[in-house]
Amino acid sequence: GAVVSQHPSRVICKSGTSVKIECRSLDFQATTMFWYRQFPKQSLMLMATSNEGSKATYEQGVEKDKFLINHASLTLSTLTVTSAHPEDSSFYICSASSGLMNTEAFFGQGTRLTVV
Amino acid sequence: AQTVTQSQPEMSVQEAETVTLSCTYDTSESDYYLFWYKQPPSRQMILVIRQEAYKQQNATENRFSVNFQKAAKSFSLKISDSQLGDAAMYFCAYRSAEVQGAQKLVFGQGTRLTINP
Repeated sequence: GAVVSQHPSRVICKSGTSVKIECRSLDFQATTMFWYRQFPKQSLMLMATSNEGSKATYEQGVEKDKFLINHASLTLSTLTVTSAHPEDSSFYICSASSGLMNTEAFFGQGTRLTVV
Repeated sequence: AQTVTQSQPEMSVQEAETVTLSCTYDTSESDYYLFWYKQPPSRQMILVIRQEAYKQQNATENRFSVNFQKAAKSFSLKISDSQLGDAAMYFCAYRSAEVQGAQKLVFGQGTRLTINP
């Protein structure tokens, strides 16, 4: 399968600061990327869908001003958690898709964010 | 909206035995995809198997097979000859095939599978 690289794998930041997470498709052009959040022992919850060159579509209840998503190229999407608070601590996972109907979305390794 | 339900939070099986994980879903669409993903302790999501709704034949991948019952909206995963490396969290997921670009996955709650040596 295709490779999606997510960086960093772990990050600790101070409350009130911002942190950026990168998601890169290494060997294919990702027209669509998805950002999920996973709490301990729970399922993946979709936060937003981003299409290259356009604004992200956020799921209900997700603060778009807090979770800034940029998908400026066909190989890179970023999620910036602004003014982070301890309740933002979670596991964040991205997935990338070429956009074709019969193809898979491939997942990054995930980022564990801890806000102290 | 589509929903996916996994009613077994935890399952355990003896090594080399067979185990079946349950999944049901709700949708009004006729064309869609169903997936089983494995999430080991590393947290990396790994695709185990996928099924296209228009195909009547159940998908198989080596020791993994599904029992897809479209009318009942059921999609169970059977793991044969269980191995210690199969221990993980397993997620059932749904994806629409009717809306172009709507490739987001809807996940079930997950089933934690333990393999007993």
